[in-house]
Amino acid sequence: AQSVSQHNHHVILSEAASLELGCNYSYGGTVNLFWYVQYPGQHLQLLLKYFSGDPLVKGIKGFEAEFIKSKFSFNLRKPSVQWSDTAEYFCAVTPGGSYIPTFGRGTSLIVHP
Amino acid sequence: GAGVSQSPSNKVTEKGKDVELRCDPISGHTALYWYRQSLGQGLEFLIYFQGNSAPDKSGLPSDRFSAERTGGSVSTLTIQRTQQEDSAVYLCASSPYASGGEQFFGPGTRLTVL
Repeated sequence: AQSVSQHNHHVILSEAASLELGCNYSYGGTVNLFWYVQYPGQHLQLLLKYFSGDPLVKGIKGFEAEFIKSKFSFNLRKPSVQWSDTAEYFCAVTPGGSYIPTFGRGTSLIVHP
Repeated sequence: GAGVSQSPSNKVTEKGKDVELRCDPISGHTALYWYRQSLGQGLEFLIYFQGNSAPDKSGLPSDRFSAERTGGSVSTLTIQRTQQEDSAVYLCASSPYASGGEQFFGPGTRLTVL
């Protein structure tokens, strides 16, 4: 069965620090890749997505992610985090042609002002 | 426009009782998903609807769980004879894409079974 691994379950950073959250998946074919974010008290919302083309994807609020096919990875990055980035981050992978994403367990990010 | 809405936002019930959770998707979205999120866990897929049909029910954890969708819009998830292990946040999401696209999530229903 397909799996999605988010290696960092809890990350604590100070403002202006750089962020990289890991996401690896096990499916070998074409995939659609997503990062969702859940801010405190809010519902899940899309941060960015990759379907095809340029493997470096830019999303909202200065986030970006890079798809590295050979490593089955889709890591999320932000060069300088803000206190308002405190949230839960979920990576999701949908095999090409499928309609059901598999979600990682999530990474809790706390940014200290 | 309005987003995905779910009701109730919180539900506390006694073990053995039946509960019904409701999801109103974004108008025009043909795909609808139900997930379960337990503390510290990712999203566990329960069921997927395309229109009123549920081509994939593989995620339903037991025959106590059922779901339906009417008019290609509102969906209800029913849990019969609730158990304490059913306690979780139940999330609904809709999508305008038939497959593989991004999903728009509702706020969830927090179910507590005493």
